[in-house]
Amino acid sequence: DTAVSQTPKYLVTQMGNDKSIKCEQNLGHDTMYWYKQDSKKFLKIMFSYNNKELIINETVPNRFSPKSPDKAHLNLHINSLELGDSAVYFCASSQVEAYEQYFGPGTRLTVT
Amino acid sequence: GIQVEQSPPDLILQEGANSTLRCNFSDSVNNLQWFHQNPWGQLINLFYIPSGTKQNGRLSATTVATERYSLLYISSSQTTDSGVYFCAVNYNQGGKLIFGQGTELSVKP
Repeated sequence: DTAVSQTPKYLVTQMGNDKSIKCEQNLGHDTMYWYKQDSKKFLKIMFSYNNKELIINETVPNRFSPKSPDKAHLNLHINSLELGDSAVYFCASSQVEAYEQYFGPGTRLTVT
Repeated sequence: GIQVEQSPPDLILQEGANSTLRCNFSDSVNNLQWFHQNPWGQLINLFYIPSGTKQNGRLSATTVATERYSLLYISSSQTTDSGVYFCAVNYNQGGKLIFGQGTELSVKP
């Protein structure tokens, strides 16, 4: 009975490819987020959506495009992948902004 | 922007020992969370604690918002407590969490 789920768990791809990561939450939350964890384990927000509307876009290259088809889903599409995009990407959700956030299991992206 | 600093950066304990992890933040916050990232990479919620004290089993946390710090106490540590402990704060609209750099804890049997 997973609260926040992500697919795939691992993603290995070559430079220049386009890939997507999917996120779903069954908590009934209104707000969803994408965070990136780099090789030094530092976590940084990328985007947040509230009820399908983009709220935060943290100076992320426009090769990254989030899409929220409904408030339970927030997908991340990445174009023209670069070596520096290798990281773990976490999806999270909260009931409303500034409330407790719950994280998915992460997607480890490796770009070769 | 707000700065979040955690200390110590690394900690090695013998099983059964107690420890205190600290999180300092440079501005007023709306909320504060503690997470444990286990060796498999999962981020597990420990506490949502913008102020006050909470306890959950062997773990407890205290946030003194007026003095801009939070403490996480781990008592009678177990090897399963190993991993990285993150403090994260939200201070503005939009809900984004600003994370500290983490404390890497290793508990030896």
